[in-house]
Amino acid sequence: EADIYQTPRYLVIGTGKKITLECSQTMGHDKMYWYQQDPGMELHLIHYSYGVNSTEKGDLSSESTVSRIRTEHFPLTLESARPSHTSQYLCASSEGQGMKNIQYFGAGTRLSVL
Amino acid sequence: SQELEQSPQSLIVQEGKNLTINCTSSKTLYGLYWYKQKYGEGLIFLMMLQKGGEEKSHEKITAKLDEKKQQSSLHITASQPSHAGIYLCGAGSSGTYKYIFGTGTRLKVLA
Repeated sequence: EADIYQTPRYLVIGTGKKITLECSQTMGHDKMYWYQQDPGMELHLIHYSYGVNSTEKGDLSSESTVSRIRTEHFPLTLESARPSHTSQYLCASSEGQGMKNIQYFGAGTRLSVL
Repeated sequence: SQELEQSPQSLIVQEGKNLTINCTSSKTLYGLYWYKQKYGEGLIFLMMLQKGGEEKSHEKITAKLDEKKQQSSLHITASQPSHAGIYLCGAGSSGTYKYIFGTGTRLKVLA
């Protein structure tokens, strides 16, 4: 059972607000990821980190930013939310090499921007 | 870049029926992961396949990676409503720790 937590689970906010989506894991995993999932089910990687003070942009361009100051914590921030940011955001973590690098996911945050 | 195509996109079956979901890669797979997602939730890891011809089972779910390592199938025997959800295949991206995910299959099981 994966110990990775995302808060809040649901968030409805107005346009222009700054928001932070929290992601924490207690497994000591070095790698962490943020995905955006559209209603068509596909997952798109928007940010990832291979360790403390390491962050990279993913395959899908995103206006969000991330930080990795502590191993267990990987928050995602939107400085000014827009309706186009409405989506499901999933956080994951992993460790290990090659095929043993299994990603474990949090329950997700469903964001609605009005 | 590598792409994973899943079929069917959606599936509705009667409880007790068997079903198969396929995941086809545009390039040779060096391993494949299967995940299940309940509606509105995160992904749950089901199993990992690495070798050509490898087959693994977990409860009533069996997954296989073909010999050529470009296709994987996931088979559910005697489906139950608890099997409903979205099934996603994923593969590691060569030289990185990133995954690419398939297009997803939405399964509904009618009681």
